[in-house]
Amino acid sequence: GAGVSQSPRYKVAKRGQDVALRCDPISGHVSLFWYQQALGQGPEFLTYFQNEAQLDKSGLPSDRFFAERPEGSVSTLKIQRTQQEDSAVYLCASSNQRDTQYFGPGTRLTVL
Amino acid sequence: GQNIDQPTEMTATEGAIVQINCTYQTSGFNGLFWYQQHAGEAPTFLSYNVLDGLEEKGRFSSFLSRSKGYSYLLLKELQMKDSASYLCAVRDSGAGSYQLTFGKGTKLSVIP
Repeated sequence: GAGVSQSPRYKVAKRGQDVALRCDPISGHVSLFWYQQALGQGPEFLTYFQNEAQLDKSGLPSDRFFAERPEGSVSTLKIQRTQQEDSAVYLCASSNQRDTQYFGPGTRLTVL
Repeated sequence: GQNIDQPTEMTATEGAIVQINCTYQTSGFNGLFWYQQHAGEAPTFLSYNVLDGLEEKGRFSSFLSRSKGYSYLLLKELQMKDSASYLCAVRDSGAGSYQLTFGKGTKLSVIP
């Protein structure tokens, strides 16, 4: 079956612009996670959804970061007023509750 | 909090065996995962350990000792395509979100 998909795969933004990153999880997966991966580092947790409920947003680095999953399927991560330090790969993962997380290919964001 | 350590880089010869170690310190433990990540691609699930001992899956095996906070990933009969980054990740039992905390990854280079 289809895996986790993300779009766009690459995004270049000028500093100060807003961006929106989309994640389509594996069909039927209740849990959805966003991670941020800097170059040469492991992924770092940003936020977690169970269905449409955002149960943990402790990893969001600032109030410029906002995520939603209004219908419990597709999720969007929005970054307002992007800064250069936001440049990273943003990974989405989905799972069935406590089962293995399966990752999408990520969106590589470059802020100029 | 969590602290996960793994070597930054390793080199091994095609056809050989390599062991990638991971040590962790965690306030709670609910499983250890190994992922493979080729450059520019999504992390791909390799193995999961929650109880002490060895889990074998084809050319890949993973070992866990909870008392020592230690795991290793064993790759046998190395192939050139095994050149990738290998990520060790721990799931915290206290985190209701089941988020994963990753190490920085071990970049494995397989040489002829």
